[in-house]
Amino acid sequence: GQSLEQPSEVTAVEGAIVQINCTYQTSGFYGLSWYQQHDGGAPTFLSYNALDGLEETGRFSSFLSRSDSYGYLLLQELQMKDSASYFCAVKRTGGFKTIFGAGTRLFVKA
Amino acid sequence: GAGVSQTPSNKVTEKGKYVELRCDPISGHTALYWYRQSLGQGPEFLIYFQGTGAADDSGLPNDRFFAVRPEGSVSTLKIQRTERGDSAVYLCASSITGTSHNEQFFGPGTRLTVL
Repeated sequence: GQSLEQPSEVTAVEGAIVQINCTYQTSGFYGLSWYQQHDGGAPTFLSYNALDGLEETGRFSSFLSRSDSYGYLLLQELQMKDSASYFCAVKRTGGFKTIFGAGTRLFVKA
Repeated sequence: GAGVSQTPSNKVTEKGKYVELRCDPISGHTALYWYRQSLGQGPEFLIYFQGTGAADDSGLPNDRFFAVRPEGSVSTLKIQRTERGDSAVYLCASSITGTSHNEQFFGPGTRLTVL
């Protein structure tokens, strides 16, 4: 089977750092992507890891370890506007299907 | 430039009716995806188009669902004999190509409610 597991909710305070984990059970995928979705909005792309290691894009970083079937999204200097749902996703090799996790709802408090 | 657009934004229908949902992808994007999303869940893959052809329709739940993209741009998702369980937000996304990884650009979705 194919599945990605994420915590359902995370709460953090403004200015802090938060890590959202994603563990997966799927074989043969191109890489791990992260998307952000505000309530009522469309998912928007944040980051992609094709290879193991850390990718940094401004306040957001993402990490992948294929040997551990694990990745995470790191958000630094949290702002109120970061309150949203965050999804990890993989695209399997040999096809075009993209599989999304159920999402982690991040609440940023003042 | 213009992003992905979807119409209608909301659709309310009665059980058993037929509905069509439209997606206008970003100009020049050859890859187009349809997903549906239920409350509190991630997008669930339905079908993928590369150009005019459906290259992967493994996510369509049953034969009531069908999608076309006759000219390789606009796509229509068609649902026959709608059921209450079809109620969800239907999302469309496009990317430059569908190979390996390309950032997917999502539309705002169509919220379908089947009464």
